[in-house]
Amino acid sequence: NAGVTQTPKFRILKIGQSMTLQCTQDMNHNYMYWYRQDPGMGLKLIYYSVGAGITDKGEVPNGYNVSRSTTEDFPLRLELAAPSQTSVYFCASSLQRGGPDTQYFGPGTRLTVL
Amino acid sequence: AQSVAQPEDQVNVAEGNPLTVKCTYSVSGNPYLFWYVQYPNRGLQFLLKYITGDNLVKGSYGFEAEFNKSQTSFHLKKPSALVSDSALYFCAVRDILDSWGKLQFGAGTQVVVTP
Repeated sequence: NAGVTQTPKFRILKIGQSMTLQCTQDMNHNYMYWYRQDPGMGLKLIYYSVGAGITDKGEVPNGYNVSRSTTEDFPLRLELAAPSQTSVYFCASSLQRGGPDTQYFGPGTRLTVL
Repeated sequence: AQSVAQPEDQVNVAEGNPLTVKCTYSVSGNPYLFWYVQYPNRGLQFLLKYITGDNLVKGSYGFEAEFNKSQTSFHLKKPSALVSDSALYFCAVRDILDSWGKLQFGAGTQVVVTP
């Protein structure tokens, strides 16, 4: 199993550009999450999904959109990039069989908006 | 609402000495508690979790954590630190009533182990 994979690893965007961060997991997990990590701030939840076709906002959803058409994929869309979106983005997944299953994280995407 | 506090931005320890990373939490109901470690330019790796039962939880790489309900704490410990333990450590809490599995993370504690 590759686990959780994310592409790209690095990206530089200009203000106002758009992009999609890709996340794929091969563990057949139902639950998937997007976080952003800023220095000294820990991880903040952007969006999450509990299955294909079901998504909901987390703590910091403004400026982002998600979709979940398959169990495996959970892309994060940035529209009209702003410098405040400069961050490291992590995707995570968990099985959630009804108990506190562990979230497994991808390697991250480092995004800079100039 | 749930929250996590890691009161130390950085912990410095000499190799071979005991390592403790502090974490306190606040949840409406009962907590599920987690520790993750992040090495430079890597994603987060799971270390251990507390669900219920024994207050002392053992995890990967010789780490353990003690759940203290009265003090709402979940401190991470290792009896003898290694230089390779130098990393960023995150405590996270999930309210047992949250069926979506959302985690609230602390700000992180940088551990520096010197030879």
